[in-house]
Amino acid sequence: DAGVIQSPRHEVTEMGQEVTLRCKPISGHDYLFWYRQTMMRGLELLIYFNNNVPIDDSGMPEDRFSAKMPNASFSTLKIQPSEPRDSAVYFCASSDSLLETQYFGPGTRLLVL
Amino acid sequence: KQEVTQIPAALSVPEGENLVLNCSFTDSAIYNLQWFRQDPGKGLTSLLLIQSSQREQTSGRLNASLDKSSGRSTLYIAASQPGDSATYLCAVRDDYKLSFGAGTTVTVRA
Repeated sequence: DAGVIQSPRHEVTEMGQEVTLRCKPISGHDYLFWYRQTMMRGLELLIYFNNNVPIDDSGMPEDRFSAKMPNASFSTLKIQPSEPRDSAVYFCASSDSLLETQYFGPGTRLLVL
Repeated sequence: KQEVTQIPAALSVPEGENLVLNCSFTDSAIYNLQWFRQDPGKGLTSLLLIQSSQREQTSGRLNASLDKSSGRSTLYIAASQPGDSATYLCAVRDDYKLSFGAGTTVTVRA
């Protein structure tokens, strides 16, 4: 299996622009997680899906952030409008059980100028 | 709210020395604890997962112990190698959520 795939790997954008991050989970995994990693706050869970349905989005920082999972093999995290404080590494992870190992993608490094 | 602490934040050892990485957590009502490795610019790789009913888990040169009642876990890496240089993160699962420590950055000097 190719593992969790994320794109783009790097994104540089200007404040106010829309940013869309993409994730393809491991085939057969029913759970998908979006995390954000910063130096100040470490790794934080933003939202997770089960069978394409958002279960808990309490970690989403603001209404500027939204996430969708239109099918079992694709999810997006959108920031609109983006701000410099959104600069971070965004990880997607998937698992076949809520209590078992999560497999992480390589991350998208976002820089908002 | 679960708080996870990893001490030390950074560690530098000569090749061949054993590594001891510490993790503590505030709420002992956990399902399991997981150790991850993160290389610069890369994602996280799962190393070991210890269920709450287990005391330790081993994989090759890695051994992780769990003392749930005292809120502590230790990751031991035997006979360290330069390839072990990375950041090691501890993550505690209570309910569905993984709470991560800030990590210990390890440098193994050749």
